[in-house]
Amino acid sequence: DSGVTQTPKHLITATGQRVTLRCSPRSGDLSVYWYQQSLDQGLQFLIQYYNGEERAKGNILERFSAQQFPDLHSELNLSSLELGDSALYFCASSVEAGGAGETQYFGPGTRLLVL
Amino acid sequence: QKEVEQDPGPLSVPEGAIVSLNCTYSNSAFQYFMWYRQYSRKGPELLMYTYSSGNKEDGRFTAQVDKSSKYISLFIRDSQPSDSATYLCAMRKPTGGTSYGKLTFGQGTILTVHP
Repeated sequence: DSGVTQTPKHLITATGQRVTLRCSPRSGDLSVYWYQQSLDQGLQFLIQYYNGEERAKGNILERFSAQQFPDLHSELNLSSLELGDSALYFCASSVEAGGAGETQYFGPGTRLLVL
Repeated sequence: QKEVEQDPGPLSVPEGAIVSLNCTYSNSAFQYFMWYRQYSRKGPELLMYTYSSGNKEDGRFTAQVDKSSKYISLFIRDSQPSDSATYLCAMRKPTGGTSYGKLTFGQGTILTVHP
C-alpha cells in the first residue's frame, strides 16, 4: 500500500458525460500528479499540482481539468467524455515539487469505461 | 518517435533465469532514471532510482545507466514467479522550467516467470 488513495475504483459512464476522480496524497506530500494509462499510449503524464498550484502540464486535453484543494487532495474532472477516454487514471504524490532523488508514489488507479 | 522506447515483449523466462530489460531514450535532458513494477490491476511501484551513469544494485535487482548511449537496463537475478509483472522504465528532467516532476514512461515490458 503506497498511502495514496483514489476513488472510485471503477467508473462506467456514457459518452458526453462528466466525471470527477478523486485523489488523496500520502500524508505530508505536497505534490500530486495525474497520469493516464491506455493500451496504445502507455502511461502519460497529465498534470502536476504542488501545494495548491499548477506546476507542470502534459498532454492534458482541454476537456480535462484538475485542482488541488487546501487539504491537498486533488480532483481530476473529465467532461464531454469520448470512447477514447476509457483508460486507467493514476494519481501519484511526492514530498516536494520534483527534486533530485524524489520518489513518486502511485495510487491504485481509477478504471474509467466510457460506453 | 517517442522520447522513450521500450520493447513491450512479452518476455517469458523459467524460474531462476537472469532477466534483462532495456530502454532507450532520445532526449539528453533526462537526468533521473527509474524502474517501476506494475502488477495487474495495480498502480506502479518504484523498484530502482538512479541519476548517474553506472550500476546500482538492490538485492536481486541491478539498474544500469549509460548516458553516452542513452540506454538504461534493469537486470533481475534468480527470477521468481512473483516477479511476473509489467516493468516500466521512467525518466525525468531536472526540476524547473515546464518539467518539474513530470515522468516520461516507456511502454512497459510484460514479464512472465514460469515455475
